[in-house]
Amino acid sequence: AQSVTQPDIHITVSEGASLELRCNYSYGATPYLFWYVQSPGQGLQLLLKYFSGDTLVQGIKGFEAEFKRSQSSFNLRKPSVHWSDAAEYFCAVAGDYGGSQGNLIFGKGTKLSVKP
Amino acid sequence: DSGVTQTPKHLITATGQRVTLRCSPRSGDLSVYWYQQSLDQGLQFLIQYYNGEERAKGNILERFSAQQFPDLHSELNLSSLELGDSALYFCASSVWGGGETQYFGPGTRLLVL
Repeated sequence: AQSVTQPDIHITVSEGASLELRCNYSYGATPYLFWYVQSPGQGLQLLLKYFSGDTLVQGIKGFEAEFKRSQSSFNLRKPSVHWSDAAEYFCAVAGDYGGSQGNLIFGKGTKLSVKP
Repeated sequence: DSGVTQTPKHLITATGQRVTLRCSPRSGDLSVYWYQQSLDQGLQFLIQYYNGEERAKGNILERFSAQQFPDLHSELNLSSLELGDSALYFCASSVWGGGETQYFGPGTRLLVL
């Protein structure tokens, strides 16, 4: 069965420091991978996605992620964190229910806190 | 703004009651998805529709049902509500429902007392 693991429940970084959020997936075929961000009381906003091609993908707000098939990972990175990045981050893989690779399977999320 | 709208934003009701959540997809999107976000279960896929037809079912309870209308808006009906149904319910839409980007609405927060 498809699954997504985000090993870190909560991460705290200092403003200006670099960030890496980990994501591991389990999926038999070529995965479609996504990172979403959820600010308190808000919906989910897409940061970036990987479908195929270049394994390093750029997203909005200065985020990037690297797809590593050998490690079944899709880690999210940002070189310098801003206080406004404090939010919860979700990694997801497009699943396969009944032959339709449409719905998303989410990890449990990583809550990011930013210290001034 | 994702272009996906959901109403109402908040809903407070009692156990045993029935509620209807509404979703309007982005213009041009044919596929609608429903997700439930709760503290204990996280974000879970409930059900997907494509152009009026049910395409995939996830962890949706039998007490819950959904439909997509000819104008492509969708409704999620929750009946015989229990305390554990309290959650944030998201609707998302995509162009054709085959794994491409999904755009999420702001959610409906349901509180069952």
